[in-house]
Amino acid sequence: AQSVTQLDSQVPVFEEAPVELRCNYSSSVSVYLFWYVQYPNQGLQLLLKYLSGSTLVKGINGFEAEFNKSQTSFHLRKPSVHISDTAEYFCAVTERQGGSEKLVFGKGTKLTVNP
Amino acid sequence: NAGVTQTPKFRVLKTGQSMTLLCAQDMNHEYMYWYRQDPGMGLRLIHYSVGEGTTAKGEVPDGYNVSRLKKQNFLLGLESAAPSQTSVYFCASSYGAGPRNSPLHFGNGTRLTVT
Repeated sequence: AQSVTQLDSQVPVFEEAPVELRCNYSSSVSVYLFWYVQYPNQGLQLLLKYLSGSTLVKGINGFEAEFNKSQTSFHLRKPSVHISDTAEYFCAVTERQGGSEKLVFGKGTKLTVNP
Repeated sequence: NAGVTQTPKFRVLKTGQSMTLLCAQDMNHEYMYWYRQDPGMGLRLIHYSVGEGTTAKGEVPDGYNVSRLKKQNFLLGLESAAPSQTSVYFCASSYGAGPRNSPLHFGNGTRLTVT
C-alpha cells in the first residue's frame, strides 16, 4: 500500500519569507502526486499535481513543487508567503485498488504565516 | 453552481444513536468519497463509490455504512454512534476515472460529536 509522510506537522514563518513543506512517499513503479490546501473551516482544494513530464510543477497562488524520484520526495515551496497562505497543506498519492483509483493523504502540515 | 454540499454542518449525538450524513453534488461526477479528518491523522478514507449503485470500503470502514442510490447523492450512515466516531467528515467527488484525471472537489465538512 502507498503511504505519504509529511515530515513537519507545523511550520511557522514570517510574512514574505520563503517556505518549504516536505513530503516523502513510499516508492512505486508509477506514482502520481498531489498537494491540497485546506483553509480554516473549509474543505480541501487542489494546489498542484504531478502526473508525468517536468519534475517542477507550478500550482495556484504562487506555489510550486519538485518531484524527486531518487529521494521519493515531492516538496512544496513558495518564495514569499502571505498571511492568506495560513492553512493546512496535505500531500497525497494515488493508490490503485480493486480496479479503481483513490487518494492516500499525509497527515498534513499546518502553515502559520505571522506578520 | 453549488458543487459539493454536505448536510448537516454540525451534529451532536449520544452514544448508541444513529444518523445519516448526506452528500450531494451537482457536477455529474462518477466518483464520490467519504473521509474523516482527525487531528494529527490527516484524512482517512471511509468508503467510496465509483458510480451509481456501487460502494466500496476504504481504509477505516468499520461502524459506517453507505449508499449511492442516485448518482448525485452519497449517504454515510452511523448505525450506533461511538465516541471514537467524533470527527470532521468530508465528502468529495471527482469526474472520470479517479483523482489522477480529475481533482477531488470537497464539501465544507460535517463536524460530529458523540458524547
